[in-house]
Amino acid sequence: RKEVEQDPGPFNVPEGATVAFNCTYSNSASQSFFWYRQDCRKEPKLLMSVYSSGNEDGRFTAQLNRASQYISLLIRDSKLSDSATYLCVVNLNEKLTFGTGTRLTIIP
Amino acid sequence: DAGVIQSPRHEVTEMGQEVTLRCKPISGHDYLFWYRQTMMRGLELLIYFNNNVPIDDSGMPEDRFSAKMPNASFSTLKIQPSEPRDSAVYFCASSSRDRGMHEQFFGPGTRLTVL
Repeated sequence: RKEVEQDPGPFNVPEGATVAFNCTYSNSASQSFFWYRQDCRKEPKLLMSVYSSGNEDGRFTAQLNRASQYISLLIRDSKLSDSATYLCVVNLNEKLTFGTGTRLTIIP
Repeated sequence: DAGVIQSPRHEVTEMGQEVTLRCKPISGHDYLFWYRQTMMRGLELLIYFNNNVPIDDSGMPEDRFSAKMPNASFSTLKIQPSEPRDSAVYFCASSSRDRGMHEQFFGPGTRLTVL
């Protein structure tokens, strides 16, 4: 079983819609969680951290469920510029493990 | 401030040749990471350094791969001899314990093709 699993997509979503991604992780000892964003042929960049209490950053909401070992990302009112691959990331003992990513395309 | 710098950006070589990838981390960062990204396996950690010392090289695929960090501003990843299955994008990233190690700043990557 992979340490971090994501639906690869692609998700093709009309502009203005709401889209949600999910991710599961296998190691219950994992300590912290993040979403990174990677544009086509570019490097990954940190999007946001994920907390059990849930956290928002503008149109983006991230949620962690430790009991189910499940992480989610919700994007509201999607923009063309949101088109990218979203990587679910888990931290254990200073090492980040990246999911293979979910590709999102926002359609005009 | 300059970000993480990697060179070369693209490398095409023939099987059996030696390949050296270079990285300059962000000044003041005390952690440096080397990753490999492929379509099939995603982003994989190869090795990471703390204060120029290798901490975990368990991700290095085999003895053909080696990495060094002679000082705080420079690191190399060497593949000798290279094989077609080494074709991938290799990223270097750096981070700072003071600012939270989870925010790793990635370089633009080196796209390696081994023929």
